Amino acid sequence: QSALTQPPSASGSPGQSVTISCTGTSSDVGAYNHVSWYQHHPGKAPKLLIYEVSKRPSGVPDRFSGSKSGNTASLTVSGLQAEDEAHYYCSSHAVNRNWVFGGGTELTVL
Amino acid sequence: QVYLQESGPGLVKPSETLSLTCTVSDGSINNYYWSWIRQPAGKGLEWIGRVYSSGSTNYNPSLQSRVTMSVDTSMNQLSLRLSSVTAADTAVYYCVRGPGGPTGEAFDIWGQGTTVTASS
Repeated sequence: QSALTQPPSASGSPGQSVTISCTGTSSDVGAYNHVSWYQHHPGKAPKLLIYEVSKRPSGVPDRFSGSKSGNTASLTVSGLQAEDEAHYYCSSHAVNRNWVFGGGTELTVL
Repeated sequence: QVYLQESGPGLVKPSETLSLTCTVSDGSINNYYWSWIRQPAGKGLEWIGRVYSSGSTNYNPSLQSRVTMSVDTSMNQLSLRLSSVTAADTAVYYCVRGPGGPTGEAFDIWGQGTTVTASS
């Protein structure tokens, strides 16, 4: 059982927007603005998409955006493209210098 | 671009110690935290712990009693040892840069991962 809760699957048609949620507690997501999101294509190295809730590393398209409200963080993928089909994971810094992850969401582009 | 490559035995017997090495290429190991993260088949990611280039460490409380991480700055390598393994330790193990770098408390560079199976 993962510390952070994500829906196991999400889907959308090309061009649409999809939002993936990540629910934690007041000891992780709710405690810090240290939520990050990762994209993982099977067989490849996971890729950092979002850090500190809503910041994008250089090279990540602005179609990817993040937000947080209370104990729940969200990743929105706008203008869905076929290449966005992947697994997405959230992570948060937690108390006691620990880091926790979600169970992952498989995004399907219909 | 920094590259991370994990290496080590793909099969470990139960009760024995899992040992992995991560080689950092095209970049320095100095002044960064480096983590190990694992993913059992069909499950989510789990942070195992981190080691700073000075050698200081923080471990996941759930694994702390069995984990040892170290760094060799002369070889640009870091290592993971996990003792008394069981089938529950079977997973893909990733070497990762972070947290605490230019992207705050995120993990900004990942290796491809290496599969370790705990079985007799």
